[in-house]
Amino acid sequence: GQNIDQPTEMTATEGAIVQINCTYQTSGFNGLFWYQQHAGEAPTFLSYNVLDGLEEKGRFSSFLSRSKGYSYLLLKELQMKDSASYLCAVQDSNYQLIWGAGTKLIIKP
Amino acid sequence: IAGITQAPTSQILAAGRRMTLRCTQDMRHNAMYWYRQDLGLGLRLIHYSNTAGTTGKGEVPDGYSVSRANTDDFPLTLASAVPSQTSVYFCASSDSVGHSTDTQYFGPGTRLTVL
Repeated sequence: GQNIDQPTEMTATEGAIVQINCTYQTSGFNGLFWYQQHAGEAPTFLSYNVLDGLEEKGRFSSFLSRSKGYSYLLLKELQMKDSASYLCAVQDSNYQLIWGAGTKLIIKP
Repeated sequence: IAGITQAPTSQILAAGRRMTLRCTQDMRHNAMYWYRQDLGLGLRLIHYSNTAGTTGKGEVPDGYSVSRANTDDFPLTLASAVPSQTSVYFCASSDSVGHSTDTQYFGPGTRLTVL
């Protein structure tokens, strides 16, 4: 079967750094996406990885290791507005997205 | 530019009733998708359409139907609603499908409660 695993919830302090992990087992791999979802709102695109390595975009970075079936999202200089759920999704061999349940990130002052 | 709009925003529905959730995009995207999101579960694909005139079944299609008569609209119909269809429904679109950079963009969602 296809499976995406992420921690259910994480807590971090404003101004700090947090790493959200995602491991996956899917039928094929055509890329990995990270989305941010604030409570009661729609998911919004954050990043995309298809090759191994780190992709940096401002305060957010995303890493991929295809051989390990592993990715992480790194958030630096945390702000209160970063309190949200972070969704990991893998594009399988049919180019359909398989979604993790999301990680709820709580930022404390 | 509105992007993707969905209607209604929320709805309470009696079991057994028929309901159509509307989705319209103005980005001229070829592909459109319907997902449901339930607490503790990832987004689950209900139906999708790679281009106008074609549709396909996702992971959880039972009890739902879709049509894609044109590029912009992708309505989702519940023929006879049941309480297990209580969920938040998201419509999404992407410029293409079958390419590694097919970023999906989401509508604001419809919160549906079936009693």
